[in-house]
Amino acid sequence: GENVEQHPSTLSVQEGDSAVIKCTYSDSASNYFPWYKQELGKRPQLIIDIRSNVGEKKDQRIAVTLNKTAKHFSLHITETQPEDSAVYFCAARPTGNQFYFGTGTSLTVIP
Amino acid sequence: EAGVTQFPSHSVIEKGQTVTLRCDPISGHDNLYWYRRVMGKEIKFLLHFVKESKQDESGMPNNRFLAERTGGTYSTLKVQPAELEDSGVYFCASSPFLGGAYEQFFGPGTRLTVL
Repeated sequence: GENVEQHPSTLSVQEGDSAVIKCTYSDSASNYFPWYKQELGKRPQLIIDIRSNVGEKKDQRIAVTLNKTAKHFSLHITETQPEDSAVYFCAARPTGNQFYFGTGTSLTVIP
Repeated sequence: EAGVTQFPSHSVIEKGQTVTLRCDPISGHDNLYWYRRVMGKEIKFLLHFVKESKQDESGMPNNRFLAERTGGTYSTLKVQPAELEDSGVYFCASSPFLGGAYEQFFGPGTRLTVL
């Protein structure tokens, strides 16, 4: 089955700096890659997603890049703010309907 | 629009006891998923319902876990008897679409602690 690896497990950045979280996947059939943000005590919420026919997608300060050949995708957050502090999960969806998640990255933005 | 709800938010039980978790998906969402996150690890798939039918239960750990979705609305996940390794956060998610690349909407989770 699919195997998603996520790095780093923890990340601290100064407010205003950029943060990058990287994920790799193993199943070349994966065609959908969502990123979820889980704030403390809250539910995971989708912040951005990318499909396999697209190499990059941006939404304001957040961007995701996908390299299908290398089987990796990354989340980029620019101009980080304290409210970006949360646990971020990447996921991949091969055939079927289930998501395969990474182990999560705990991001702390230091004011 | 109300989101996915889960009950209880926390449950602490002793090994050997039974616990039942409940999930109410977003109204109209035929697809309902159960996931589990053991501390520090990935969110792992347990099973998927389409309406009242189990579409995929390949992630269920063993026969101590029983999921139901009678009537195709809310779902329950029963653990009987609970073991220490069952501790974790159980998430429910729902989606209106089957197949393809679509968002799954998550509930806040139930934190289960087995002592």
